Amino acid sequence: QVQLQESGPGLVKPSETLSLTCAVSGGSITSYFWSWVRQPPGKGLEWIGYMYYTGSTNYNPSLKSRVTISVDTSKNQFSLKLSSVTAADTAVYFCARTSGDGYILGGTYFDYWGQGTLVTVSS
Amino acid sequence: QSALTQPASVSGSPGQSITISCTGTSSDVGGYNYVSWYQQHPGKAPKLMIYEVSNRPSGVSNRFSGSKSGNTASLTISGLQAEDEADYYCSSYTSSSNLVFGTGTKVTVL
Repeated sequence: QVQLQESGPGLVKPSETLSLTCAVSGGSITSYFWSWVRQPPGKGLEWIGYMYYTGSTNYNPSLKSRVTISVDTSKNQFSLKLSSVTAADTAVYFCARTSGDGYILGGTYFDYWGQGTLVTVSS
Repeated sequence: QSALTQPASVSGSPGQSITISCTGTSSDVGGYNYVSWYQQHPGKAPKLMIYEVSNRPSGVSNRFSGSKSGNTASLTISGLQAEDEADYYCSSYTSSSNLVFGTGTKVTVL
């Protein structure tokens, strides 16, 4: 059974960089694509982007200039960095495995999710 | 990319059937058979209920079914149960090679 666990600071100051890690267990990170999704308090879900263990990435155009998703295959984990954060970036951040039928690069649905971690942007 | 449009809320009595719509454009919902649906209980992670329009993952009740017509996808919950009370989100692949979620629907069991 694949399990994902997010970790990182729960409080980040405005203009600084948000950094989170997702540890994957029960399966190799070198299979499948892996995504980050966020949810502001009381609001809907927003896809941030995905990565493949080769380093291939794809980001939400609205966040692309500030986002970096990277992988550490030796630790079977991947990470999110979001720069120049503001209060609008306050959200629960989820990591998720992205799967598909093999025809679409990056996959088309999220079949395993982490429990989520709340990150608050405040001074 | 704009979020897909869902009704804010849908309600039904136990045993009834309800349908949640998810409206996009020909660049997302209408253009691909890559619509998925997620159930989210308060404080929990989303759970995949339907993928590729109408496929159910192993372990998901057959009371949940998905379909699509044109630019609108639908999730139907039959035999509504108290445990189905949750938020539901659709998602679609887009022509820009991105993924977009719907606005979300709160399902209330009366």
